[in-house]
Amino acid sequence: EVQLVQSGAEVKKPGESLKISCKNSGYSFTTYWIGWVRQTPGKGLEWMGSIYPGDSDTRYSPSFQGQVAISADKSITTAYLQWSNLKASDTAMYYCARQTGGTAFDYWGQGTLVTVSS
Amino acid sequence: SYVLTQPPSVSVAPGQTARITCGGNKIGSKSVHWYQQKPGQAPVLVVYDDSDRPSGIPERFSGSNSGNTATLTISRVEAGDEADYFCQVWDSSGDHVFGTGTKVTVL
Repeated sequence: EVQLVQSGAEVKKPGESLKISCKNSGYSFTTYWIGWVRQTPGKGLEWMGSIYPGDSDTRYSPSFQGQVAISADKSITTAYLQWSNLKASDTAMYYCARQTGGTAFDYWGQGTLVTVSS
Repeated sequence: SYVLTQPPSVSVAPGQTARITCGGNKIGSKSVHWYQQKPGQAPVLVVYDDSDRPSGIPERFSGSNSGNTATLTISRVEAGDEADYFCQVWDSSGDHVFGTGTKVTVL
């Protein structure tokens, strides 16, 4: 059974750093792209970027380039989303999702709620 | 950047048919995917590549795509279909783009 299990909710202050995780199981982790998607009440779903764990090839949305870092550790089949300088505007739900052989996202994590507040 | 436009809301009576549109420039030339999201849950893929259904998705869910509009059709609507629905494409620029989302209300 394919499963993507994300780390728990986080409460941070502006300027702090954060790394959230997405543990993958039930399939060959190195042969599918993994994407990260942000959801806010005002802006719906936004694709942030994706990584191919097989060779760590990473693509970013222009809107998030330079704002976050995506990485993966093949040895523990886990993908990561990282911030070095959080802002209040980063408050959102974040999902990881496996990309099919095409361009759809067929399996999703349960989401990680990130709250940034002073 | 590529933009996908959906109606904010669609209302439908039980047993009737709901049609949710997704508008984009020459969207007919792209593969469109649809997701259902219920409150407090992650999105679920219900249609991919315009009209294919993942395993476990009822045949009541179908899709079409032509010209500047893609459509998700839900036949014989049930109370459990009440949710937000999002369309998504992969743009030639290399970005995944999501639609604005449509809230389906079952009357």
